[in-house]
Amino acid sequence: DGGITQSPKYLFRKEGQNVTLSCEQNLNHDAMYWYRQDPGQGLRLIYYSQIVNDFQKGDIAEGYSVSREKKESFPLTVTSAQKNPTAFYLCASSADRPPIGYTFGSGTRLTVV
Amino acid sequence: GESVGLHLPTLSVQEGDNSIINCAYSNSASDYFIWYKQESGKGPQFIIDIRSNMDKRQGQRVTVLLNKTVKHLSLQIAATQPGDSAVYFCAEKKGWGKLQFGAGTQVVVTP
Repeated sequence: DGGITQSPKYLFRKEGQNVTLSCEQNLNHDAMYWYRQDPGQGLRLIYYSQIVNDFQKGDIAEGYSVSREKKESFPLTVTSAQKNPTAFYLCASSADRPPIGYTFGSGTRLTVV
Repeated sequence: GESVGLHLPTLSVQEGDNSIINCAYSNSASDYFIWYKQESGKGPQFIIDIRSNMDKRQGQRVTVLLNKTVKHLSLQIAATQPGDSAVYFCAEKKGWGKLQFGAGTQVVVTP
């Protein structure tokens, strides 16, 4: 089945560590996105990529980094510079032709311990 | 800017009643709109979409209404069921641009 897979589902990070969240899609979508969601709140865009080897900052990119070396993969690294990383992270992908909505992964819940 | 501390509005609905979730969108040039449903601990799921050349679109138990004059979008859920309890997001898109998400509404279905 085509879809978008995020792993791990739960992730614990110690203070000062970098961690990487995985996002893989087999939908042949060109664009991929990372969102952060805090409890009881909406989605905030961290980074997005419209094509391989290219990505742009979203609204809250500070303390995060991404890469897009393959069309299928868009990993997100939460660096030690991110002051409050505990949140639910969602990855999404979309095709541009025709313009459609996003397909979301099931999310990764990151907790700082 | 940051929205820390801003909590989702809540709609409490009795089981079997109809639900209406409202959304005001920001860009008059947006030409595509979507409603997503997000259950606790899961990613958002597509419910229904509508293009700007339409006023109404119906799905299974759901109807989306678009009023471009006042930039308003609504989602109606018929005969609300416990499984409809979730957060509902509207989203808008202009051309090939990114989706812009609304803040979301928490729907709580009571017996």
